[in-house]
Amino acid sequence: SQQGEEDPQALSIQEGENATMNCSYKTSINNLQWYRQNSGRGLVHLILIRSNEREKHSGRLRVTLDTSKKSSSLLITASRAADTASYFCATDADAGNMLTFGGGTRLMVKP
Amino acid sequence: DAGITQSPRHKVTETGTPVTLRCHQTENHRYMYWYRQDPGHGLRLIHYSYGVKDTDKGEVSDGYSVSRSKTEDFLLTLESATSSQTSVYFCAISDSQGPSTDTQYFGPGTRLTVL
Repeated sequence: SQQGEEDPQALSIQEGENATMNCSYKTSINNLQWYRQNSGRGLVHLILIRSNEREKHSGRLRVTLDTSKKSSSLLITASRAADTASYFCATDADAGNMLTFGGGTRLMVKP
Repeated sequence: DAGITQSPRHKVTETGTPVTLRCHQTENHRYMYWYRQDPGHGLRLIHYSYGVKDTDKGEVSDGYSVSRSKTEDFLLTLESATSSQTSVYFCAISDSQGPSTDTQYFGPGTRLTVL
């Protein structure tokens, strides 16, 4: 079973618009991560937010974490066609540096 | 892809045949993982390793075995491939030291088709 569930499953926007993806999870976590996967490629780490943090920024990315609601959001501002990809949230487990991934959000940014 | 290679990148095999996928890293990271990715299921952990000869099962380990005889290599074996094991397989690594111990780095994937 998946710890994280992304919403929406698919999102289509125009270049320049903002894209928001949400992730909900079930159990307590130490941190939550977001990854990007371009078509036919492996996942690439984007950002990590720890359970004691509420917001984190990296370039055009903004991640929020609400541990009381067990949810996180990823905002991509001023989107570009190159942002077209699938985005996954991942939560940590108790041991072995393991992560549990959600099903992903497929983002399409139209030029 | 952070010094991670997977071989082969594509493989077509028949039901009942054994298949071994190889993951090789040049980062000297302690942890290595095998995932499978299927439509509608995201990534699911098959097995992972926390050191040479130290491995453990993940969420979907039935039908798979692994071995790690060297830090840099992590092998995934399908003893008798079935059509349900048609998938894209990803290897990942992570370190046990430093500020990014929870970050995983992924290989390019192996697309396996079992006919």
